[in-house]
Parts: sequence; structure tokens; C-alpha cells
Amino acid sequence: EAQVTQNPRYLITVTGKKLTVTCSQNMNHEYMSWYRQDPGLGLRQIYYSMNVEVTDKGDVPEGYKVSRKEKRNFPLILESPSPNQTSLYFCASSPRTGRYSNQPQHFGDGTRLSIL
Amino acid sequence: LAKTTQPISMDSYEGQEVNITCSHNNIATNDYITWYQQFPSQGPRFIIQGYKTKVTNEVASLFIPADRKSSTLSLPRVSLSDTAVYYCLVGDGQNFVFGPGTRLSVLP
Repeated sequence: EAQVTQNPRYLITVTGKKLTVTCSQNMNHEYMSWYRQDPGLGLRQIYYSMNVEVTDKGDVPEGYKVSRKEKRNFPLILESPSPNQTSLYFCASSPRTGRYSNQPQHFGDGTRLSIL
Repeated sequence: LAKTTQPISMDSYEGQEVNITCSHNNIATNDYITWYQQFPSQGPRFIIQGYKTKVTNEVASLFIPADRKSSTLSLPRVSLSDTAVYYCLVGDGQNFVFGPGTRLSVLP
């Protein structure tokens, strides 16, 4: 089954304790992206990756890191989490995109992070 | 990046046609318009995408005027299971900006 898998689905942790949210897709998609969703703000893009070893900032990258060492995986890293990063996070992937070649994104089911 | 605005909520009854409009005044030449549906505790799910004029698939239609500063998602004959949040997304294939979403409630 084609899917985007995020782990963990839920996490409660404390300020300053490094954490990683994994994202894996089995569709051989080039493009992957991370979003956070907050009440009243919709989804905001954190980072995206056009392909292996190619990453770029979205609208709200501060406090986050990503890496794309393999095509299928795109982990989101919070080096020193803070309470304002408490949110619902979604990973998404799509086939190759680019100018005049926009492809729909497939989303995971989300990871709810609570930073105390 | 283009900023988008949508109505916060809408109510409808089963069997009616629902039209949700998204404004994106600063849309760029390279931007496509995509609509997603989201149920609680799930990720957004693709509904329809377009660049200009009209697009129709098995679940919805998308109307985009010539100036592309807005778009309208049309859901024919909604059912209770269409109760969800609907997002308008504008992007060029790399950067994407989601609208705030429209919460559609379908009543029996």
C-alpha cells in the first residue's frame, strides 16, 4: 500500500531534549516536505526536499533541521525543543515537481508533539 | 508567496451543492491551485488541482477565473461524510502556502 509513515504518532517531552520525528514513503517520490498545523493558522511549511541531499527552508524553519540522505526518508529534527514547537506535524511526499509540473502531495497521518 | 483567504466555516444540507471560494490575490505565474480535504486525526487528502479555467474529476469541480486571483471548489450533492475541513493550497511545486481552511458541516 502506498503510504507516508510518520513515527512517533504522539510524543510528550521536555524543553531542550533533542528529538527526531521520522518520515518514510514507499512511493519512490522525489519531493518531500514537513508542515506544522496550529489552530487558526492552518498548515505551514517548515522544510522541503526536492531530492536526495537537496533541502530548503519553508515558511517557518526556525528551530528545526532536516536531512535527506535516502530518497525514502526525511526526518525532522528538533535539536532543542521549546514549548512554542508544540504542534501537530505532517510529512508529505509527491512525485517530481517543478515549474509547471505540480504534483499532488500524499500526507502522513501526523505526529502530535507536546513540549513541556 | 501568495497568501490565501477562505471562509472559516460553512453549513450545508445533504444533497446540496457546496461552493467554497479561496482568494489568492498575489498568486504567481508558476503557482498551481490545489484543494485538500482533512478529517480529524488524519493528514490532508488531495481533491483536485488546476492552473486556470475549469477542472472536473469524479468528486469535485474547480473553477478558476482568468485573473486567477481566486478559485472555487464545487462539491456536488454533498453527504454527511463530506463534513471536513477544506484547504486551498497555492504553490509552485516547491514552496506551498495553505489557506486557513474552511470547516464544512453537512447536516441531515
